[in-house]
Amino acid sequence: KAGVTQTPRYLIKTRGQQVTLSCSPISGHRSVSWYQQTPGQGLQFLFEYFSETQRNKGNFPGRFSGRQFSNSRSEMNVSTLELGDSALYLCASSPGLAGDSYEQYFGPGTRLTVT
Amino acid sequence: EDKVVQSPLSLVVHEGDTVTLNCSYEVTNFRSLLWYKQEKKAPTFLFMLTSSGIEKKSGRLSSILDKKELFSILNITATQTGDSAIYLCAVRTSYDKVIFGPGTSLSVIP
Repeated sequence: KAGVTQTPRYLIKTRGQQVTLSCSPISGHRSVSWYQQTPGQGLQFLFEYFSETQRNKGNFPGRFSGRQFSNSRSEMNVSTLELGDSALYLCASSPGLAGDSYEQYFGPGTRLTVT
Repeated sequence: EDKVVQSPLSLVVHEGDTVTLNCSYEVTNFRSLLWYKQEKKAPTFLFMLTSSGIEKKSGRLSSILDKKELFSILNITATQTGDSAIYLCAVRTSYDKVIFGPGTSLSVIP
């Protein structure tokens, strides 16, 4: 089975621009979660989607948004980029509902640099 | 505010040593606790714990949860250089939130 894939792997943007990151979960997985990882803050939960619905959202501003398609692929969008948005963005998929204690499988991440 | 604390934050041991990593938490509506190993990029799953007192074991790694005292430990016996990584503890709540701890950076030297 192919693992979680994320595209692009690396991205450089300038302040004020917007960016869209993509995540394809493991085949058959219906839940996709997004995380931001920075040296200072560690790994932080952004949001989770299940069956095209946002299940929960972490403490991030409204500039961070996402969506999930009927094939479970998910996209994350960050608008009006700030320098502090530079981070590794990780996506994780799991077979079932978020609250049902399913194991999550992480993708390789997208390294975003904002200049 | 929900939080997950890990200790120590950093650890250096020699090959063959046994290490114990700690994770304590304060969250509302605890659902499960997860341990991950992160080497270079993406975390890889180690254990998921939902019940107190039941040890989960995988090779040289084992973990146990104490829901009364709100903590978990991850043990690694006979450490090898390949165990060098950041070990992350995360707690999932019933409201589908996942809170990660800061991680413990383990370095195993030959």
